[in-house]
Amino acid sequence: EAGVTQFPSHSVIEKGQTVTLRCDPISGHDNLYWYRRVMGKEIKFLLHFVKESKQDESGMPNNRFLAERTGGTYSTLKVQPAELEDSGVYFCASGGSGKINEQFFGPGTRLTVL
Amino acid sequence: QQQVKQSPQSLIVQKGGISIINCAYENTAFDYFPWYQQFPGKGPALLIAIRPDVSEKKEGRFTISFNKSAKQFSLHIMDSQPGDSATYFCAARSGSNYQLIWGAGTKLIIKP
Repeated sequence: EAGVTQFPSHSVIEKGQTVTLRCDPISGHDNLYWYRRVMGKEIKFLLHFVKESKQDESGMPNNRFLAERTGGTYSTLKVQPAELEDSGVYFCASGGSGKINEQFFGPGTRLTVL
Repeated sequence: QQQVKQSPQSLIVQKGGISIINCAYENTAFDYFPWYQQFPGKGPALLIAIRPDVSEKKEGRFTISFNKSAKQFSLHIMDSQPGDSATYFCAARSGSNYQLIWGAGTKLIIKP
């Protein structure tokens, strides 16, 4: 069974540009999470989807970040316009329906904003 | 405000030794405490987890010790091996909240 996949693995953009990160969860997983780790610091929760609905987006830093999960399958996280402080590793995780302790992580997307 | 504090930031242990990583939390509502292991280029993977109704949980060479009164929990890796070299994260969660609160991570290096 394929794990959580994320694309791209790395992205380097200029400040002010737009970047879209993609996450493909494990097939059949209703729960999808986005997290971010800024250099050397703790991993921070961004948001949680249940199917296509945003269950909790309390961790989204500001309105430059937009997450979508159309059709309840893959998810995208768009940063527009990107700022220097957005640099970090963005992780996606997925888990089965009702399985609160199940979070399988993807390899992450390393975003560098110059 | 960091709700889960993890130490040390980095740790070097000789092969065969015991690796110990500590975490402290503030929120007494936390009721699930997992440890994740991350290898370079990979995402974090669940290693072992504990609930506050037990003081210790052991899985193979990995043990979590939990001190509810002190609001601390630690990961012990017995007979540490070079293959254990990775970054380790503690985390916590409360009730029906799916959101994990993470420590800052410990980079563990096991010297052969």
